[in-house]
Amino acid sequence: DTGVSQDPRHKITKRGQNVTFRCDPISEHNRLYWYRQTLGQGPEFLTYFQNEAQLEKSRLLSDRFSAERPKGSFSTLEIQRTEQGDSAMYLCASSLAQGAGGYTFGSGTRLTVV
Amino acid sequence: KNEVEQSPQNLTAQEGEFITINCSYSVGISALHWLQQHPGGGIVSLFMLSSGKKKHGRLIATINIQEKHSSLHITASHPRDSAVYICAVFGGGYQLIWGAGTKLIIKP
Repeated sequence: DTGVSQDPRHKITKRGQNVTFRCDPISEHNRLYWYRQTLGQGPEFLTYFQNEAQLEKSRLLSDRFSAERPKGSFSTLEIQRTEQGDSAMYLCASSLAQGAGGYTFGSGTRLTVV
Repeated sequence: KNEVEQSPQNLTAQEGEFITINCSYSVGISALHWLQQHPGGGIVSLFMLSSGKKKHGRLIATINIQEKHSSLHITASHPRDSAVYICAVFGGGYQLIWGAGTKLIIKP
């Protein structure tokens, strides 16, 4: 297991297009998180899953955003009808549900909407 | 007032200097993370602390639970240490509470 993997690393898309990102967490981690980070800012929480259940969504996650974790393993984050304001680094992290929450982060997917 | 405060916000030092970054928090926590982010890069977890002190290479992290304070030290700093260092606390829910980060620049 090489940690949390995110794909793609970079994505450039035209405004109005849909994009989908993938996150593969550490295999034994049952919690998975999505964060968004814009330039010069700290990460903002978007949503998290425990196994396949999406237990919380931030109000930042508008109707254009949807996340899934169908089998409790990898997760996808889709953005529909992208806007320039969606340009950001999208970070995925995973952890065990029990204990003090040792997070492992992926390298992120940098989205540029042109 | 933010729940997690870091100081300084920006720090520039010469190569070889001893670096200290501080983090104070106002909430009850079960763990504190120190994280590193290079420009344009992802976030790397350096330490997770719930008590005492941890050391990894030239990095040392300490936490005082009673005083709600943690420090990250870098000994013999090097230009490759230049990055944003973030303190984040885990309060036992599902979210990390993030500090604003400290931007460190080490000049050769």
